[in-house]
Amino acid sequence: NAGVMQNPRHLVRRRGQEARLRCSPMKGHSHVYWYRQLPEEGLKFMVYLQKENIIDESGMPKERFSAEFPKEGPSILRIQQVVRGDSAAYFCASSHPGTANSPLHFGNGTRLTVT
Amino acid sequence: AQSVTQLGSHVSVSEGALVLLRCNYSSSVPPYLFWYVQYPNQGLQLLLKYTTGATLVKGINGFEAEFKKSETSFHLTKPSAHMSDAAEYFCAVSTLTSGGSYIPTFGRGTSLIVHP
Repeated sequence: NAGVMQNPRHLVRRRGQEARLRCSPMKGHSHVYWYRQLPEEGLKFMVYLQKENIIDESGMPKERFSAEFPKEGPSILRIQQVVRGDSAAYFCASSHPGTANSPLHFGNGTRLTVT
Repeated sequence: AQSVTQLGSHVSVSEGALVLLRCNYSSSVPPYLFWYVQYPNQGLQLLLKYTTGATLVKGINGFEAEFKKSETSFHLTKPSAHMSDAAEYFCAVSTLTSGGSYIPTFGRGTSLIVHP
């Protein structure tokens, strides 16, 4: 079953360290989305990518956060110099070339804890 | 800008009772609407979606939702709740972002609790 794969499932980092979250999209999907989930707040859009191209990063914090989706390999969400407020569940989703009515297929998420 | 409001962060029903989860949206254009379900420690799964055509949409696990343009609503229902329906439910609408893409925007979620 080639669903959306995220790793690691759980990640613990100390303040100031870097966090790297990985996402392999569903087979045949070329578009990847990253969302952040905080308790009682639902999912917040962060960034939308296709291979070698960031399509929309309007939800990304301006500093410390970056994302990429290289020609080969998984999509990476990178958080530099993590702070306690970065603790959250980060979900990746993929779809066919995006149209407004394309449903998203989600991974099981990476739960980041910053100590 | 489009947005989604889910009324009630928690809904509690007895097993066998009707499930009604409310969702209202704001959109200046015909919307694309979705319901997703999230089980503990998992990602979201699509339950159903509305794009065009029939306003009553049937999804998986016996759920359905009705698009009512006059009420700007897309409430999710199921005639008879099962214990296995206990989960978090999210309504979403495709939203045009400041970056120029249509991205699903999610409501805050409703936690469905099913009592035996």
